Amino acid sequence: DIQMTQSPSFVSASVGDRVTITCRASQGISNWLTWYQQKPGKAPKLLISAASNLRSGVPSRFSGSGSGTDFTLTISCLQPEDFATYYCLQANGLPLSFGGGTKVEI
Amino acid sequence: EVQLVESGGGLVKPGGSLRLSCAASGFTFSHAWMSWVRQAPGEGLEWVGRIKSKSSGETKEYSAPVKDRFTISRDDSKNTLYLQMNSLKTEDTAVYYCTWENPRPGEFDYWGQGILVTVSS
Repeated sequence: DIQMTQSPSFVSASVGDRVTITCRASQGISNWLTWYQQKPGKAPKLLISAASNLRSGVPSRFSGSGSGTDFTLTISCLQPEDFATYYCLQANGLPLSFGGGTKVEI
Repeated sequence: EVQLVESGGGLVKPGGSLRLSCAASGFTFSHAWMSWVRQAPGEGLEWVGRIKSKSSGETKEYSAPVKDRFTISRDDSKNTLYLQMNSLKTEDTAVYYCTWENPRPGEFDYWGQGILVTVSS
């Protein structure tokens, strides 16, 4: 099974900050990596697919990079609506596996 | 508009069974790969399993914690996805989401609102 190690678990940040979240796969997953945002009590929302493709309607302050085992989600200028928990997911191998999540809070 | 609406959750005793349904609309359900994802209270997301479309062999895949206890099925004539959960354990307590993988595996573009399953005596 492929393990996804996400760091940090918590980020304390302010509006306007640049935030970087990392996911590391236990083995190479090419670009089979997606990023999700989840707000309390809501279903997750797909932000980025194929490691770096911004989904339609997602603000350009979000970006993703990486390939193989190391991936990054960057929020370039944090907005109030970005305070949420972020998850990565690998789909290169079964079972699909999520990272542990990163809570971005004030 | 794509909609996924789960139903069938509730309280069940350990060892019991429950069947969740997910009614889909707004897309060609018969062509869709569908997954279930769950989230225990205060915890992260966990993939439960997937069923591929009939044209992809209707293959079913499961995570280790639920394999041999949970069964995913679909009725394309009713645009409905199912999750039959047997031999339930307290650790199966979670909000269960049905999701549509579109267009690539792991790209959960649409989610239901989630339904709570509580396993407790």
